[in-house]
Amino acid sequence: GAVVSQHPSWVICKSGTSVKIECRSLDFQATTMFWYRQFPKQSLMLMATSNEGSKATYEQGVEKDKFLINHASLTLSTLTVTSAHPEDSSFYICSAIRIGLDYGYTFGSGTRLTVV
Amino acid sequence: KQEVTQIPAALSVPEGENLVLNCSFTDSAIYNLQWFRQDPGKGLTSLLLIQSSQREQTSGRLNASLDKSSGRSTLYIAASQPGDSATYLCAVSGDKIIFGKGTRLHILP
Repeated sequence: GAVVSQHPSWVICKSGTSVKIECRSLDFQATTMFWYRQFPKQSLMLMATSNEGSKATYEQGVEKDKFLINHASLTLSTLTVTSAHPEDSSFYICSAIRIGLDYGYTFGSGTRLTVV
Repeated sequence: KQEVTQIPAALSVPEGENLVLNCSFTDSAIYNLQWFRQDPGKGLTSLLLIQSSQREQTSGRLNASLDKSSGRSTLYIAASQPGDSATYLCAVSGDKIIFGKGTRLHILP
C-alpha cells in the first residue's frame, strides 16, 4: 500500500526561528502533495498544493512567505514555517496522491508544532 | 462550492453495537469519496475509498456506501469495539479534497 512518512512528529521551537517539516512518499511517486493545518477538534484546512518542480499553489489567506513549500523531487515535499510565532502552533499534516486506479489520498502521521 | 456535512458530530455507544455514520455532500461531481480515521494527535488513516462509479466498499467490519445522486454516504461499523473509538472523517475528491468536520466516536467498554 501507499505510505507517506512525515518528520518530525513533534517539534518545539522558539519564536522567530524557522522549522522545516518533511513529507516523503515511501513506495510511490507523488507529483502532487498537499499541506494541511488542523486546529484542536477542527477538521483539516488545506494550506497549499505542492507540485513537483513548480511553485506551490496557496489557498486564500495562507501567507506564502511564511509557509515556504518546496517539492524538489517526486517523493519529497517540505514545509518551512519561517519566523515562527506562537499563533503558528498547530498540527500540520501532509498528504500525497497516488495516480492510478484508485486516486486515493494517503496522509502522513502529522507534525505537532509548538512555538514558545 | 462543495460542502461536506457529517452527522452526528459525536456518538457514544456500548461495545458490541452496530452503528452508522452519515456524510452528505452538496456537489455530486466527485471523483471518489474516502472515509478516514483519526486518533488524537495522529494523522489520518484511510479506511475505505469508493470510486464515483461504485456503490459500496467493504473492509472487515466496515462497510461504506455511496449514493452520488443524493449526495450521501454512510459508514457502517459492525460489532463495535473500544478500539474503534476515534474521529471518523468523510472526504470527497473533485478538483480538491474536501473534508467534513468529522464524527467523534466513543465506544463504551
